[in-house]
Amino acid sequence: KAGVTQTPRYLIKTRGQQVTLSCSPISGHRSVSWYQQTPGQGLQFLFEYFSETQRNKGNFPGRFSGRQFSNSRSEMNVSTLELGDSALYLCASSVEQGNNSPLHFGNGTRLTVT
Amino acid sequence: GEDVEQSLFLSVREGDSSVINCTYTDSSSTYLYWYKQEPGAGLQLLTYIFSNMDMKQDQRLTVLLNKKDKHLSLRIADTQTGDSAIYFCAERDYNTDKLIFGTGTRLQVFP
Repeated sequence: KAGVTQTPRYLIKTRGQQVTLSCSPISGHRSVSWYQQTPGQGLQFLFEYFSETQRNKGNFPGRFSGRQFSNSRSEMNVSTLELGDSALYLCASSVEQGNNSPLHFGNGTRLTVT
Repeated sequence: GEDVEQSLFLSVREGDSSVINCTYTDSSSTYLYWYKQEPGAGLQLLTYIFSNMDMKQDQRLTVLLNKKDKHLSLRIADTQTGDSAIYFCAERDYNTDKLIFGTGTRLQVFP
């Protein structure tokens, strides 16, 4: 079974631009979560989607948004990029929301903002 | 709020056991997890333990949970150079279901 697939693997953008990251969950997984990883802040929760609905949201500004499609694939968008948005963005999927549904992570998209 | 703490570095000799420690603050955590991250990669789920258990063994990995002290440990037996990576513990927040990660422990295995 294929793992969580994130595209693209690397992105370089300039300040003020916007970016869209894509995530395909493991087949049969209906919940998708996004995390931001930086050296200074570690792993920070962005949001979680289940059945096309956002179930949880972390403490990030409104420039960070996401959505989930009917096939469980998810995208996240960051508008008006800032230098501090440079990070590894990790997507994780699980069979269902909550309970014992361990998160399985993709290899991430490394975003560099110049 | 919730907080998960780990020591930053651990260095062990190949063949020895490694013990990575983690403390957490949310006493209502349901599940606790260990993830491994190698350079340039995402997080690989290693193992997890339910909060009503105190030990779980999976091949070379042993997880110990002391719920009273909110202390979690991961023991890797016969540590190999391929075990060199960053190890994250994470607790599952009871109210929001989101994972709260520790800062990660960088394990270095030398010959």
